[in-house]
Amino acid sequence: RKEVEQDPGPFNVPEGATVAFNCTYSNSASQSFFWYRQDCRKEPKLLMSVYSSGNEDGRFTAQLNRASQYISLLIRDSKLSDSATYLCVVTKSYNTDKLIFGTGTRLQVFP
Amino acid sequence: NAGVTQTPKFRVLKTGQSMTLLCAQDMNHEYMYWYRQDPGMGLRLIHYSVGEGTTAKGEVPDGYNVSRLKKQNFLLGLESAAPSQTSVYFCASSYFAGGTSYNEQFFGPGTRLTVL
Repeated sequence: RKEVEQDPGPFNVPEGATVAFNCTYSNSASQSFFWYRQDCRKEPKLLMSVYSSGNEDGRFTAQLNRASQYISLLIRDSKLSDSATYLCVVTKSYNTDKLIFGTGTRLQVFP
Repeated sequence: NAGVTQTPKFRVLKTGQSMTLLCAQDMNHEYMYWYRQDPGMGLRLIHYSVGEGTTAKGEVPDGYNVSRLKKQNFLLGLESAAPSQTSVYFCASSYFAGGTSYNEQFFGPGTRLTVL
């Protein structure tokens, strides 16, 4: 079983739609959780951290369910510029800088 | 402020050749990392460094060596390239990570390496 699992997609949605991605992780000792965004042929960039209480950044909302070991990302009012691959990332265990990356979920927003 | 830079951007090698990938950061970060990204797989950690003069193995270190002689630079070497090392290589850096706190990893633009 992969340490971080994501649906690879692609998710094809029209502009203005709401789309949600989920991710599951296998190590219950993982302490920190993130969503990174990677544009085609570019480097990953941090989109947002994910906190236990859930957090929102504009049109983006992230949720964490530690009991079920899954993380979600909700994008509201999708824009063409949201088209990218979204990587679910967790720390390998407690008190470590090592990150485990999911393979990513591809989002394509069309006009 | 260039952030994290990588050279070269592209390279084609023949099996058995050697090369060095250079990563440089101007953010005074302590931690630096080398990853590889392959289709259908997440980024995988090759080697990392928690400070000048120190290096450690990551998840997939075989066939690679690294050096961190200066805080701002992290070099990745392939002594005898193999087709299995065809990949996109990303360097990243961060301030510090410890406890439950975490600092963002900043990535370079990547090096696309093909080994024939």
